[in-house]
Amino acid sequence: DAGVIQSPRHEVTEMGQEVTLRCKPISGHNSLFWYRQTMMRGLELLIYFNNNVPIDDSGMPEDRFSAKMPNASFSTLKIQPSEPRDSAVYFCASSPFSGRGNEQFFGPGTRLTVL
Amino acid sequence: QKEVEQNSGPLSVPEGAIASLNCTYSDRGSQSFFWYRQYSGKSPELIMFIYSNGDKEDGRFTAQLNKASQYVSLLIRDSQPSDSATYLCAVNTGGFKTIFGAGTRLFVKA
Repeated sequence: DAGVIQSPRHEVTEMGQEVTLRCKPISGHNSLFWYRQTMMRGLELLIYFNNNVPIDDSGMPEDRFSAKMPNASFSTLKIQPSEPRDSAVYFCASSPFSGRGNEQFFGPGTRLTVL
Repeated sequence: QKEVEQNSGPLSVPEGAIASLNCTYSDRGSQSFFWYRQYSGKSPELIMFIYSNGDKEDGRFTAQLNKASQYVSLLIRDSQPSDSATYLCAVNTGGFKTIFGAGTRLFVKA
């Protein structure tokens, strides 16, 4: 079975450029999460969706960040304009929400470097 | 106070020993508890989950939950060098949101 798929795996860009990260969740999972991980701040939840609807985006650091989930099999996280402090590993995770908490399955991550 | 707290380590144990990883959480309404393992440069992977007070065993891993003390732990018996990783404690307070701890780095010395 295919797990969570993320692309690109690595992204190097210059400050001010737009960056789009993509995620395909596991088929049948109805919850999707975007995380950012850095050495300093650990794993931070940015936003999560349930049934394609954004439920909580309070973790999105600034208006420069936006996320969409147009259908059950695809989500994007966009940073515009990007800044060096956005450099991190961005993970997408999906979950078959069971009502008793959610076991999350993580994608391989996108390592973003903003120069 | 952080919502989910873990000792960052590193925790170093000899091969074959028991590794004990601990986690405390602040929300008494928390319902579900998870342990994820993350190898360097890789994504977190779920290794254990527990919902009820007491112990839950899966192979060499045992998760322990004490809701009264707001404490969850992970024991790894017969530790192997391949167990060397960062272990993330995660707590769900109900609904969709799960809070992750900062993780404990474990080194198992051969």
